[in-house]
Amino acid sequence: QVQLQQWGAGLVKPSETLSLTCAVYGGSLSGYYWSWIRQPPGKGLEWIGEINHSGSTNYNPSLKTRVTFSVDTSNNQFSLKLTSVTAADTAVYYCARILTSLVDRWGQGTLVTVSS
Amino acid sequence: EIVLTQSPATLSLSPGEGATLSCRASQSVSKYLNWYQQKPGQAPSLLIYDASKRATGIPARFSGSGSGTDFTLTISSLEPEDFAVYYCQQRSNWLTFGGGTKVEIK
Repeated sequence: QVQLQQWGAGLVKPSETLSLTCAVYGGSLSGYYWSWIRQPPGKGLEWIGEINHSGSTNYNPSLKTRVTFSVDTSNNQFSLKLTSVTAADTAVYYCARILTSLVDRWGQGTLVTVSS
Repeated sequence: EIVLTQSPATLSLSPGEGATLSCRASQSVSKYLNWYQQKPGQAPSLLIYDASKRATGIPARFSGSGSGTDFTLTISSLEPEDFAVYYCQQRSNWLTFGGGTKVEIK
């Protein structure tokens, strides 16, 4: 059973960079896209983007200028960096596995608060 | 970008009642529409994929229908654990989600 475990800073100052990492256990990165999805408190879900094992990426156009994904195949991990954060970036961030057109595995979620 | 509009925003029902949730796409997504359930403090979980196929382990009281731009999630008889928020999702150029329908206890 594939499991995703994520970690990263829960508090980030405005204008700084948000960084999160997700480790994949019980399966390979190959053959899937790996995604980051966020959910502001009390609101809906927003897809941030995705990356595959070879580093090919797709980003949400609304965040594209601030987002960078990376993959570490030796450790079966992938990461998110979001620059120049503001309060609007406060959300629970989920890592997830994409199976063709759906999300079939989710991480546990990390609440990231942007505040000074 | 394909926009998904869910209605109603909130559904107040009693256990044992049936629920009908709607998801409308701004342009056709063929049959490629998925539904998720999210409970407080948890990640969403897949219920229905490709409009009408139940994910592994999902009870038969959950069913999906529709194609093109109009989709429905039906819960035939609500169990206490079904009170949650439901999201529809599609992938054309990229993933988008609807705004969600909260099914709450009346």
